[in-house]
Amino acid sequence: GENVEQHPSTLSVQEGDSAVIKCTYSDSASNYFPWYKQELGKGPQLIIDIRSNVGEKKDQRIAVTLNKTAKHFSLHITETQPEDSAVYFCAASKSNFGNEKLTFGTGTRLTIIP
Amino acid sequence: ETGVTQTPRHLVMGMTNKKSLKCEQHLGHNAMYWYKQSAKKPLELMFVYNFKEQTENNSVPSRFSPECPNSSHLFLHLHTLQPEDSALYLCASSQVDRTAPLHFGNGTRLTVT
Repeated sequence: GENVEQHPSTLSVQEGDSAVIKCTYSDSASNYFPWYKQELGKGPQLIIDIRSNVGEKKDQRIAVTLNKTAKHFSLHITETQPEDSAVYFCAASKSNFGNEKLTFGTGTRLTIIP
Repeated sequence: ETGVTQTPRHLVMGMTNKKSLKCEQHLGHNAMYWYKQSAKKPLELMFVYNFKEQTENNSVPSRFSPECPNSSHLFLHLHTLQPEDSALYLCASSQVDRTAPLHFGNGTRLTVT
């Protein structure tokens, strides 16, 4: 089955700086890679996703990059703000199986230092 | 408001108790899920229901029993749990589309004493 590794487990950055979270996956057939953000006391929320037919996707201050050859993908947050403090999870699946076979990473706790 | 409501938010139960977790979604989705979230471990998918039919049971012990009476409601019945079952239990819903986003509730924090 799929195995997703996520690093780092914790990350602290100064407000305004950039943050990068990296994930690797094991199954070369995986082609759907979502990122979820979990704020304290809440459930995870999808913030961005990428499919294997593109190498990069942006949405305002967040972007995700995908390297299929190396089997890794990364989340980039620019101009970080206090409200970016949360736990971030990457995940991977094969789109023909979707959420039923979605494998999550172990999470990165991001802290933005004012 | 997430559109997925879970009750109770917190639950403490003894190993011989029987309790149920409830989930309700107001998003018109046709798929519902139970996940277990433990510290420093990936989210673990427990059960999946598509159009009220169970499609996944990821080797979950029989002391956890799901029920999906309709597309909007999902229950997780608990009995004779173990302390290692203490965790955050998350309910989610989505469209049946293979890569539709999961919409999570805020979870039930379960403590087994």
